[in-house]
Amino acid sequence: AQSVTQPDIHITVSEGASLELRCNYSYGATPYLFWYVQSPGQGLQLLLKYFSGDTLVQGIKGFEAEFKRSQSSFNLRKPSVHWSDAAEYFCAVGTPGGAQKLVFGQGTRLTINP
Amino acid sequence: DGGITQSPKYLFRKEGQNVTLSCEQNLNHDAMYWYRQDPGQGLRLIYYSQIVNDFQKGDIAEGYSVSREKKESFPLTVTSAQKNPTAFYLCASSPGVGTSGRDTQYFGPGTRLTVL
Repeated sequence: AQSVTQPDIHITVSEGASLELRCNYSYGATPYLFWYVQSPGQGLQLLLKYFSGDTLVQGIKGFEAEFKRSQSSFNLRKPSVHWSDAAEYFCAVGTPGGAQKLVFGQGTRLTINP
Repeated sequence: DGGITQSPKYLFRKEGQNVTLSCEQNLNHDAMYWYRQDPGQGLRLIYYSQIVNDFQKGDIAEGYSVSREKKESFPLTVTSAQKNPTAFYLCASSPGVGTSGRDTQYFGPGTRLTVL
């Protein structure tokens, strides 16, 4: 069975600084990978996804993620964070074929210092 | 506007009562899902449905029930058998079958259920 680990429960960065959120997965083949963002009390919004092809994926709000098969990782990055990026971020793994049964990591809460 | 609606946003119930959470989508998606979210935890799958009149248990189905009589609707009932029902419940939908496996889930705004 697949699993997802987000090693950092809480990260604090200064506004304008760069950001990297870590995600490691366990799956026998190449999975489908997703990053979602959740503001307090809200639903999840899709930031980006990887199915195949170019391992560097661009998403909304200036985010990008890189799939590294050798490290079983799919880390999320942003070159310069804004106060509005403060939220909870979830990495998820899906398996090819039909409707997705996603497995989510525990999430990383991002705090932005002014 | 296309999207997923969940109602109500906040729901309070007394212990021992069944309660039904609504989820509607107008995205013409085949698949729908229910997740439970507890503080500091990721999302856990309760039930999912790939087509009308069919649904499957997820990882934590005990104490919950669903129906899928219409493509656009997937209500979740939290029964009195659910031992710890207080949580944030999220509904999602995806295009589902026929997408060559490249399926993507989109989420509603959620319902926060508090059992007193």
